[in-house]
Amino acid sequence: QKEVEQNSGPLSVPEGAIASLNCTYSDRVSQSFFWYRQYSGKSPELIMSIYSNGDKEDGRFTAQLNKASQYVSLLIRDSQPSDSATYLCAVIPDTGRRALTFGSGTRLQVQP
Amino acid sequence: DGGITQSPKYLFRKEGQNVTLSCEQNLNHDAMYWYRQDPGQGLRLIYYSQIVNDFQKGDIAEGYSVSREKKESFPLTVTSAQKNPTAFYLCASSVDPSSYEQYFGPGTRLTVT
Repeated sequence: QKEVEQNSGPLSVPEGAIASLNCTYSDRVSQSFFWYRQYSGKSPELIMSIYSNGDKEDGRFTAQLNKASQYVSLLIRDSQPSDSATYLCAVIPDTGRRALTFGSGTRLQVQP
Repeated sequence: DGGITQSPKYLFRKEGQNVTLSCEQNLNHDAMYWYRQDPGQGLRLIYYSQIVNDFQKGDIAEGYSVSREKKESFPLTVTSAQKNPTAFYLCASSVDPSSYEQYFGPGTRLTVT
């Protein structure tokens, strides 16, 4: 099993809807998680990090961590066409390596 | 302005040539990283450095080399031994090795023909 897995999508939602992006992880990671947004042809941009079980909100974004089920989600409320991008989930491998391991990303399309 | 710069944005090379990608940061960050991204895929770690004059291999270090002689600079050399060097190369930095919040430069798109 990979350390982190994401559905490649695309996930298509209408403008104004809630977009829900999910990431599952293995036992071989530490309990810190990061969400990055990557527009086509650009570099990733950190949008949220979450370290404890439960929800963390920042503007229209909410990160949810469920340790029992080993998944972390990113919810985007009131989705806008400008939210159309690939969302990468990143984890810290439990190997002592001090660098993130990234999922392959989920492409989100927000339809006007 | 503080940030991470990578140059050039696009780079073209002939097969068999070594090429060096530049990464500079003025954020005073201790840790720096190099990732490679292929179309439709996530990022794969090439090398990382937690401190000056020290660096560690990532998952796909074969065919690449790095140096960290200065805190602000972490150049990556793609050697002729790298079988499929065409990719998008991303440099990142974080405040220190215990802070995993990594910030990325704009990337260099390398094409080898």
